[in-house]
Amino acid sequence: DQQVKQNSPSLSVQEGRISILNCDYTNSMFDYFLWYKKYPAEGPTFLISISSIKDKNEDGRFTVFLNKSAKHLSLHIVPSQPGDSAVYFCAASDPKETSGSRLTFGEGTQLTVNP
Amino acid sequence: DAEITQSPRHKITETGRQVTLACHQTWNHNNMFWYRQDLGHGLRLIHYSYGVHDTNKGEVSDGYSVSRSNTEDLPLTLESAASSQTSVYFCASSDWAGGDTQYFGPGTRLTVL
Repeated sequence: DQQVKQNSPSLSVQEGRISILNCDYTNSMFDYFLWYKKYPAEGPTFLISISSIKDKNEDGRFTVFLNKSAKHLSLHIVPSQPGDSAVYFCAASDPKETSGSRLTFGEGTQLTVNP
Repeated sequence: DAEITQSPRHKITETGRQVTLACHQTWNHNNMFWYRQDLGHGLRLIHYSYGVHDTNKGEVSDGYSVSRSNTEDLPLTLESAASSQTSVYFCASSDWAGGDTQYFGPGTRLTVL
């Protein structure tokens, strides 16, 4: 049972335009959401996060939106740059663990930003 | 600077052999995790630990084991390697003070022939 889903395996955008990456989840108990970015032959790196008590969090060119009623979050990158080309993973925190939360990851979306 | 390292970065082994992948972090984090990454599946949790002598099974733990004898290290052992365990393995760590954010190592690419 895939509790976190990224339905688009790939996304291609032009440099300077907006990139929108989507993520859906099924577990209504998830209370914290994260986006990770991964370049080839490297480990994932933390990008941005959002708590379930918020509906938006912004950090420079990156904004994450959370729609709890729809169990949907999205990552907006504006403007997109060629260096943003990477695989993006959505992750959700399992609140059952009190001493250090596990993360459930989506399948990932390969973003390609064309010059 | 604090970091998390994995070794080896690449490993080729044969079916049936025992293999151990190393993970070492200098963040002094209590929590450590092992994931495997496969196309179409994202990152799946194998085992995790919330402190010394604590280990827990993740969603794909069959055929794998871990032990935590100190804060810095969480080695992952494949007791009898199978071709289905060909994958890229990532170790991660986190600390309660840092919330749920996990920091990842560079990965180990394992091929089982």
